[in-house]
Amino acid sequence: QQQVKQSPQSLIVQKGGISIINCAYENTAFDYFPWYQQFPGKGPALLIAIRPDVSEKKEGRFTISFNKSAKQFSLHIMDSQPGDSATYFCAASISGSARQLTFGSGTQLTVLP
Amino acid sequence: DAGVIQSPRHEVTEMGQEVTLRCKPISGHNSLFWYRQTMMRGLELLIYFNNNVPIDDSGMPEDRFSAKMPNASFSTLKIQPSEPRDSAVYFCASSLFHQLSSYEQYFGPGTRLTVT
Repeated sequence: QQQVKQSPQSLIVQKGGISIINCAYENTAFDYFPWYQQFPGKGPALLIAIRPDVSEKKEGRFTISFNKSAKQFSLHIMDSQPGDSATYFCAASISGSARQLTFGSGTQLTVLP
Repeated sequence: DAGVIQSPRHEVTEMGQEVTLRCKPISGHNSLFWYRQTMMRGLELLIYFNNNVPIDDSGMPEDRFSAKMPNASFSTLKIQPSEPRDSAVYFCASSLFHQLSSYEQYFGPGTRLTVT
């Protein structure tokens, strides 16, 4: 079964701290791993993505770490800000007819001021 | 450029009524996805289309649900008859599928459906 398991379900971090969200997958055929950010009342929006040929990708304060052998990947948010408070979804996809995404269950991040 | 457009944004209906949700994908995109989001089940893919053709509808929960894409700029998701357990936020997303393209899906703002 194509599953992506995400943890924690919720996370509270102080302003300036590091937020870490983890995901694990089972299907080794997955070849694209995006993270989506969703604010209340909005649709999810792509935040950052990685392919399995690299172990890390950084964009500003957001970093994806990827461990192919462990079939795990994580999102690190450095210097977390109250504006980062949102729900974060990891996802995975297999090359094929339309890049169907399998989403994790989501993590609700709250960054305290 | 306008993003994915969904209508209505909110829908309240009584059990047994027909509900039609509408989506206009980003111009030029050739793949369209319908998702349902609930607290209990998270984001679920219901169906997706490629070049207006339904590719996989295995996520459609029951025969009460149907989706169409008559042309590249319009899609509908219909629930008939609606039930209280259908209450959720329904998202439409679109992407440009090409072997060498990005995988990004662009989501609309969603339709919050409440069935009483």
